[in-house]
Amino acid sequence: QVHLVQSGAEVKPPGASVKVSCKAFEYTFTNYPIHWVRQAPGQTPEWMGWINTGNGNTKYSQRFQGRVTISKDTSASTAYMELSGLRSEDTAVYYCVRFVVVSASMGWFDPWGQGTLVTVSS
Amino acid sequence: QSVLTQPPSVSGAPGQRVTISCTGSSSNIGAPYDVHWYQHLPGTAPKLLIHNNNNRPSGVPDRFSGSKSGPSASLAITGLQAEDEADYYCQSYDSSLSGPVFGGGTKLTVL
Repeated sequence: QVHLVQSGAEVKPPGASVKVSCKAFEYTFTNYPIHWVRQAPGQTPEWMGWINTGNGNTKYSQRFQGRVTISKDTSASTAYMELSGLRSEDTAVYYCVRFVVVSASMGWFDPWGQGTLVTVSS
Repeated sequence: QSVLTQPPSVSGAPGQRVTISCTGSSSNIGAPYDVHWYQHLPGTAPKLLIHNNNNRPSGVPDRFSGSKSGPSASLAITGLQAEDEADYYCQSYDSSLSGPVFGGGTKLTVL
């Protein structure tokens, strides 16, 4: 069964960086883009960016541009999301999601990883 | 403030029908971009419920259905069951933001 497994919870001080991994199982990794979505406590989910797992091209939300880097290791069927300059408002659950493509901008998220809680605290 | 607007909460008794609305604008649902719905049970990963406005993935009961008209979409749940108690999110694409956008989420309570 297709699924994504993420790395464990992290606690980071303000100003630090965090890198979350997302390993894909039971499908061809390079056939589907991977997106990252975060959800802060009590907030709506927020899209952060995505990576074309075939050619490595990335696109980021303007809100996170300059702070987020999404990368991949094709041999390990794993995508990564690194967020730098952490502040308390970055405390959230971070999800990787497989994007089922209909067209360049059309498609849906399935499945979702189990989520990684990142807590920013001194 | 979410780009897509959902009611914060809805409720219904077992066996009843409830609907959850999702209102967007001309740069997303009204563009028209498709709407997708996700069910989020506490402590689990969100799960795809409806894609492309009204399509159920295999394994999703036919008690769940979606519709779309203009800049709005709706999720209907019939024959409400206790296990349906969860948060529900709509999602579309926004051309102004050049990326996916989500609704604020609706908490369904089964009375």
